[in-house]
Amino acid sequence: NAGVMQNPRHLVRRRGQEARLRCSPMKGHSHVYWYRQLPEEGLKFMVYLQKENIIDESGMPKERFSAEFPKEGPSILRIQQVVRGDSAAYFCASSPGGTIYFGEGSWLTVV
Amino acid sequence: AQSVTQPDIHITVSEGASLELRCNYSYGATPYLFWYVQSPGQGLQLLLKYFSGDTLVQGIKGFEAEFKRSQSSFNLRKPSVHWSDAAEYFCAVGANRNMRFGAGTRLTVKP
Repeated sequence: NAGVMQNPRHLVRRRGQEARLRCSPMKGHSHVYWYRQLPEEGLKFMVYLQKENIIDESGMPKERFSAEFPKEGPSILRIQQVVRGDSAAYFCASSPGGTIYFGEGSWLTVV
Repeated sequence: AQSVTQPDIHITVSEGASLELRCNYSYGATPYLFWYVQSPGQGLQLLLKYFSGDTLVQGIKGFEAEFKRSQSSFNLRKPSVHWSDAAEYFCAVGANRNMRFGAGTRLTVKP
């Protein structure tokens, strides 16, 4: 059973470009979460999704950030018009309900 | 609202010495508690979890943690540290969208 798969692992974007991060949950997991980890900080919850539904986006910045988990395909975290402060590690996690399992992360660098 | 405090930002121990990483939580009900480990550039790996039952929980890699309700603590322990244990350790409380992480404790292991 493959773990949570994230890609790309590393992404470099210039200021103003868009970043798209993809996440395939573990097989059988219907809950997907996105977290952001800033340098020297812990994990901050961003958004919780189930198939085709955003359940909780209370941790998402109000602008430029969006997430989806379509019926088919991976969950996508999209950051429009990236700024330097968006540079961080973005972790996807999935759960069948209860314990959360993390992917390896996507490291975004904005130059 | 639930929260997690890891009082120690950085701990250094000698290889072979014992280890205790502190975690204090605030939670309204019986908490779900977790410890995760993160190696540099990697995702978070679940070490152990507590949902209910025996308050001393055994995890992978020789780690254990003890839930003490009276102290609102869930400290992580290992009797003899190995150089490969050097990593960042995160305590977490809650479940699903309500999971909250501590800021982490960085463990350095001296030869």
